[in-house]
Amino acid sequence: QQQVKQSPQSLIVQKGGIPIINCAYENTAFDYFPWYQQFPGKGPALLIAIRPDVSEKKEGRFTISFNKSAKQFSLHIMDSQPGDSATYFCAARPSGTYKYIFGTGTRLKVLA
Amino acid sequence: NAGVTQTPKFRILKIGQSMTLQCAQDMNHNYMYWYRQDPGMGLKLIYYSVGAGITDKGEVPNGYNVSRSTTEDFPLRLELAAPSQTSVYFCASSPDLTDTQYFGPGTRLTVL
Repeated sequence: QQQVKQSPQSLIVQKGGIPIINCAYENTAFDYFPWYQQFPGKGPALLIAIRPDVSEKKEGRFTISFNKSAKQFSLHIMDSQPGDSATYFCAARPSGTYKYIFGTGTRLKVLA
Repeated sequence: NAGVTQTPKFRILKIGQSMTLQCAQDMNHNYMYWYRQDPGMGLKLIYYSVGAGITDKGEVPNGYNVSRSTTEDFPLRLELAAPSQTSVYFCASSPDLTDTQYFGPGTRLTVL
């Protein structure tokens, strides 16, 4: 069964720190890798996404790094703020499908 | 533009009862999805639809049914509720040719 493994399960950083969340997948036939941000009591919201033909993508303070050979991708949050405290999910979409496989989530807390 | 709306927000069911979780979107999206989110786990796809009248099973369809009679609505039916169906349910939608999924606020269901 296709899986996406996400780590760490939880993360605490000081304001201004750079939390890094990692995801690894086991199947090469994925064509889209989004990251979602979820605040308590809310649905997930798309944060940033990358395709496998790109090694890095930046949007504001959020960066995805993608290592195709290692089958890994990670989310970096620059200059983290208390408002970034949320749960972050990575996901991967198998090629040719509309289905997404989600990681188990990382609960991030940024201390003021 | 309300986006994706879900009702109810909370519900407690007794074992064996049935109910329908409502989902509606006003963005004219063809694709709609139902996920469940268990504590400490990623989202699992229950059912999805690529247009009115077309539905298909996701990863965990057992115990659920869906219908899609209009583009806007995608209700999820639980028959004979079981404690294992205690979860938070999210509905999502996406346009035809882009990759972003838009999530509703979720329904928290408890089966006792």
